[in-house]
Amino acid sequence: QKEVEQNSGPLSVPEGAIASLNCTYSDRGSQSFFWYRQYSGKSPELIMSIYSNGDKEDGRFTAQLNKASQYVSLLIRDSQPSDSATYLCAVNQAGTALIFGKGTTLSVSS
Amino acid sequence: KAGVTQTPRYLIKTRGQQVTLSCSPISGHRSVSWYQQTPGQGLQFLFEYFSETQRNKGNFPGRFSGRQFSNSRSEMNVSTLELGDSALYLCASSLAAGVSGANVLTFGAGSRLTVL
Repeated sequence: QKEVEQNSGPLSVPEGAIASLNCTYSDRGSQSFFWYRQYSGKSPELIMSIYSNGDKEDGRFTAQLNKASQYVSLLIRDSQPSDSATYLCAVNQAGTALIFGKGTTLSVSS
Repeated sequence: KAGVTQTPRYLIKTRGQQVTLSCSPISGHRSVSWYQQTPGQGLQFLFEYFSETQRNKGNFPGRFSGRQFSNSRSEMNVSTLELGDSALYLCASSLAAGVSGANVLTFGAGSRLTVL
């Protein structure tokens, strides 16, 4: 059973702080890693994808991947109240279904 | 460019009935995946279709079925509805299945099913 684990939260950070979201996965053959954001009552939308070990930056967002530790994280710098949402980690390998974690709820207070 | 379109957006059914949900993918996307989302279980994978063939299937009972048409549109059906089937059903499309980098899912707005 392939599993993706996330701390459900809520993770509360003040505006302007760095939010750190973590995810572990069980399938060592996983090749593709994604972070989705889901606002309440909305569908998930892609924030970042990462395929290689190391860091990938996109604006205020940085995804970090460590395949040896089976660990992927998302850092949000200068957190804004508009970042308050549930963040979903998703993992798969070629030809298999994309498996999602249950998500971490982030709350950014102004 | 139109996004992923799901119909109907909301529906109410009673136990024992069946329901069919429809999904039109983004133009050019050939892979369609279906997920069930509930507060307790999160996003759970139902099935994935590519070129009218089911490529992957999740751990759901046979009451859940789907299909994909030649124009990539997809439908899923749930027969003999149970109270526990109340959920948000999300469809997502991607350019291709099994190709690294082309498997990014774009989700539709979902179909919210309530079973009474």
